[in-house]
Formats: sequence, C-alpha cells, structure tokens
Amino acid sequence: ETGVTQTPRHLVMGMTNKKSLKCEQHLGHNAMYWYKQSAKKPLELMFVYSLEERVENNSVPSRFSPECPNSSHLFLHLHTLQPEDSALYLCASSQDVGKETQYFGPGTRLTVL
Amino acid sequence: GENVEQHPSTLSVQEGDSAVIKCTYSDSASNYFPWYKQELGKRPQLIIDIRSNVGEKKDQRIAVTLNKTAKHFSLHITETQPEDSAVYFCAASKLSKLTFGTGTRLQVTL
Repeated sequence: ETGVTQTPRHLVMGMTNKKSLKCEQHLGHNAMYWYKQSAKKPLELMFVYSLEERVENNSVPSRFSPECPNSSHLFLHLHTLQPEDSALYLCASSQDVGKETQYFGPGTRLTVL
Repeated sequence: GENVEQHPSTLSVQEGDSAVIKCTYSDSASNYFPWYKQELGKRPQLIIDIRSNVGEKKDQRIAVTLNKTAKHFSLHITETQPEDSAVYFCAASKLSKLTFGTGTRLQVTL
C-alpha cells in the first residue's frame, strides 16, 4: 500500500491557479505514469516516463506539464485548468517500460472551480 | 490505436454465485492483459493477468481466459463474497501502453 504515494490526496483550485501534484515510488522502478480517471470513462493514460525521460505524451493539453527529476519522483504541474479537468489523477510505476505490471498510487482528487 | 470494450457495466450477483466480466480488444499486437480491482475510494490493484501465449490462468477463486483469435478475454470469479464488491477494469497492453476498459461495477448481495 505504501509503494507508490501521492500528495496531496485532495486539491481544489480555481481556473487561474497554479498547482503541482507529486508522486513518489519506493519500489525501485524505472518507469512512471500519469493517468486521469473521470466518472464513467476509462482510465486515460497521460504520460509515460522511463528513466526520467518522457517516452509517451498521449495528446494531453499543455496546461498539464509533467516533470520527472529522477526515477523515484514524478510531478504534474497544473495551470489554467478547466472545470472538465476535475478528476482523479493516478500515478503508477512499473519495473521498466514494457514490464507491464503497474502499481498505482492512491490518487489525487482534483476539483477545478 | 487500441480500443478495449468491457461488459457489463454493472453486475449484481448473490453471494456464492459466479460472476463473469468480458472484454474485447482491437489491436492484435496487444500481448498482455491485466485485470484491476478498484474498491470505493481506493487505488486500482492488480488481481490477475494473462499473457498472449497462455489461454487460461487461475488463482484461487479468480480465473482469466484469453481467446486471441476472437480478441476477447474474460474474468471469472467463483463463490463470490461481499468483499468482491468493487469496480473491475480490464486492460490490454502493447509495449508500455495500457488501454483500459470502462469498468464493471460488481455488487455481491447477501
């Protein structure tokens, strides 16, 4: 349960705010992922990082900006979001990209007013 | 890209009965098919997975079957218990990318 942690767990922000989501994995994995989970929609892959390099950007708007300073930490910087961006943002990690078993964090519940 | 469809969206069974959830995928190159369980307010957790070189896999009350020709795979839960109540997601993977189904809300009633 503590292998992948995310902070904050809940975040309420206005459309003009700038905030960041943080993910940390304690599993020694090399790959990290950001997903968006909205009500009644499948989990949507946003970004994939392997050894701190972005290997996939799934047509995500530029108001979401990821950062991976090292293989244990992943950030998602948010600015000028829209109400439709309200969702649960999940971080995951896996041993390597291509080692498909992914372990999820608890998520950040984001509400954009 | 990959498209994964999952049915049913909701499923209610009585305790002790079996539950079956079905998924289809579109990309024949997908080679890994995990199933995740997500309890209310909690993170998705892997419960079982299957690779494309295997047709069936079982772990206690949970089994998964894969038909590569038809491009569909199914989750079978036998002797369901109240703690099996959750949302179940199937996924299909090629290389690093997991594409998820829309989820099935399973309710096990007493």
